[in-house]
Amino acid sequence: GESVGLHLPTLSVQEGDNSIINCAYSNSASDYFIWYKQESGKGPQFIIDIRSNMDKRQGQRVTVLLNKTVKHLSLQIAATQPGDSAVYFCAENAGGTSYGKLTFGQGTILTVHP
Amino acid sequence: DAGVIQSPRHEVTEMGQEVTLRCKPISGHNSLFWYRQTMMRGLELLIYFNNNVPIDDSGMPEDRFSAKMPNASFSTLKIQPSEPRDSAVYFCASSFGGQLNQPQHFGDGTRLSIL
Repeated sequence: GESVGLHLPTLSVQEGDNSIINCAYSNSASDYFIWYKQESGKGPQFIIDIRSNMDKRQGQRVTVLLNKTVKHLSLQIAATQPGDSAVYFCAENAGGTSYGKLTFGQGTILTVHP
Repeated sequence: DAGVIQSPRHEVTEMGQEVTLRCKPISGHNSLFWYRQTMMRGLELLIYFNNNVPIDDSGMPEDRFSAKMPNASFSTLKIQPSEPRDSAVYFCASSFGGQLNQPQHFGDGTRLSIL
């Protein structure tokens, strides 16, 4: 079946650098995408979302880019901090009868070194 | 504001016992989701409710699993009888299910260990 997958399972950066986490999706019908951050012992925490009628959305220190042509999603974190160390998940919703239902990727481990 | 509240946070029990996990969604949210997270399979959707009605339970592993939502502020996930392979972290999430998709907000999960 169709699923969401991540290119890189781990990413290590230095404090202050910018981080880019990538996600490939395969369901061309997906119309809603979301990024979550999960710290150890906690549930996934919402970071930012984007709908398919947009290609870019910015939040506080984070930017999500959506390229529907190649079915690619990315999360950019500016001036990465040690507190950003976590597992990051992308998720998609295919809309239609799947309304409200998210399919999650495997996750990327981000480690920020001081 | 209170987020999604799950209880218990940890549960250790012997195989064959009944396990009940509880969830209180965010007030005003009308969609509720139960997930299971393991190292091998990642985060899997088990079942979700909209306005207290189960919409999709295709992710429920087998008949040993059941979920209920008797009212807008409470849901349970029950495993009977439990087996060691049910060991995982179980998350509940809620969202406001309007015309457009909205973010799901997760609780901190129940870490379940079946011995």
